Amino acid sequence: DAGVIQSPRHEVTEMGQEVTLRCKPISGHDYLFWYRQTMMRGLELLIYFNNNVPIDDSGMPEDRFSAKMPNASFSTLKIQPSEPRDSAVYFCASRTGTGRDIQYFGAGTRLSVL
Amino acid sequence: GENVEQHPSTLSVQEGDSAVIKCTYSDSASNYFPWYKQELGKGPQLIIDIRSNVGEKKDQRIAVTLNKTAKHFSLHITETQPEDSAVYFCAARQAGSARQLTFGSGTQLTVLP
Repeated sequence: DAGVIQSPRHEVTEMGQEVTLRCKPISGHDYLFWYRQTMMRGLELLIYFNNNVPIDDSGMPEDRFSAKMPNASFSTLKIQPSEPRDSAVYFCASRTGTGRDIQYFGAGTRLSVL
Repeated sequence: GENVEQHPSTLSVQEGDSAVIKCTYSDSASNYFPWYKQELGKGPQLIIDIRSNVGEKKDQRIAVTLNKTAKHFSLHITETQPEDSAVYFCAARQAGSARQLTFGSGTQLTVLP
């Protein structure tokens, strides 16, 4: 398996624009997580899905953020409108529903909002 | 909710020396404690984990110890090598139906040749 695949790897946009980050989890994994990493706040969980259903979105900072998982092999994190303080590295991770609790992370998307 | 504190934030050691990173957690119900390594430009990767029914676990040069009474756990790296240089994160997962991890703030480890 190619692992968790995120796109794009880098995104530069202007304040007010819509940004969509994409994630393809490892095939067969039941859980998908979206994290945000910044120097100030470290690694924060934004939202996670189980079997494509959002379970906990309490980490989503505000209504400008939304996430969807239309099927088991694809998820998006959307920011609309984007603001400079959204600049961060966004990670997607997935794991199986059984066995060891290992989360497999993608390489991340580095977002810069100017 | 769970709160995980990690120390130190930066650590420099000479090649061949040992490195120790410590974490404390707040929820006594937490039962799973993984350690992740993040290399520059990459996502975190699991390097070792421990469950609350075990006090110590070792994998070659890496070991993790857990003290449930004191609610702290530590990562030990022996015979450090330059490729060990990275950011290390500890995490804790609460017992029950929740599947999310709470991460520590990270430790930048630098192994000096």
